[in-house]
Amino acid sequence: DQQVKQNSPSLSVQEGRISILNCDYTNSMFDYFLWYKKYPAEGPTFLISISSIKDKNEDGRFTVFLNKSAKHLSLHIVPSQPGDSAVYFCAARALNNNAGNMLTFGGGTRLMVKP
Amino acid sequence: DVKVTQSSRYLVKRTGEKVFLECVQDMDHENMFWYRQDPGLGLRLIYFSYDVKMKEKGDIPEGYSVSREKKERFSLILESASTNQTSMYLCASSDRAQPQHFGDGTRLSIL
Repeated sequence: DQQVKQNSPSLSVQEGRISILNCDYTNSMFDYFLWYKKYPAEGPTFLISISSIKDKNEDGRFTVFLNKSAKHLSLHIVPSQPGDSAVYFCAARALNNNAGNMLTFGGGTRLMVKP
Repeated sequence: DVKVTQSSRYLVKRTGEKVFLECVQDMDHENMFWYRQDPGLGLRLIYFSYDVKMKEKGDIPEGYSVSREKKERFSLILESASTNQTSMYLCASSDRAQPQHFGDGTRLSIL
C-alpha cells in the first residue's frame, strides 16, 4: 500500500506557463516533505522541502504548498523552462522516525516543458 | 559539495550469481541508503544504515543484504541474483535529518 502517491505519471506544459505537480499521502505521522528532481542517467537531486508546521515554502521559481487536512502537497514551477523537464519525486518523513532519516517516495511525475 | 559515488553505472550479471554494488560518500554522513527505482513505483528502500556495522531493513529487503564496515562505504549484496532484480539501484547518504544526497545509480541487468 503506497503511503505517498503521485497520481499523474506525466505532465506536459508550455514554456513560460505554470507547472503544478501533485502528491497525496495517507500517513498522518509524516511531518516533513521533500521534492526531488531526476534527469535521465543521473541520481535524484533535492529541490525543495516543507515542514508540517508551514503551509508554503518558496525558493525562486519553485513553491511547495502543504494542505495537512487534505494530506496533499503540490509543487508549483513558475515560469516553467525546458530545463525543468525531468521526473519529479515527492517524498515524506515520519515524525517518529528516529533512526536514519528514512523517506517514503511517491511514484514520480514526468514533466515535459515544451519550447 | 557532497559526492556519492557508485562503483558501476551499468552492470550485467547472470541468474544465480552473487552481485556486489558499492557506494562511497565523502561527507562523513552517518546515514546511508540503498533504493531501487522501477517505472511507476518510484524509489523503494531496500536497506539503510545509521552507523558503522548497523543496518535496518527497508520496505523490500528480500533477496538482498548489506555491509557497512566503514562509515564512508555501504555495500549492497544480491546473494543469488534473479531476473526480477533487474532494476536501477540508487545509493544515498545524509547527515542526520538533512535531505538525502544520491549517487548517479547503477543500472543492473540480470540475464
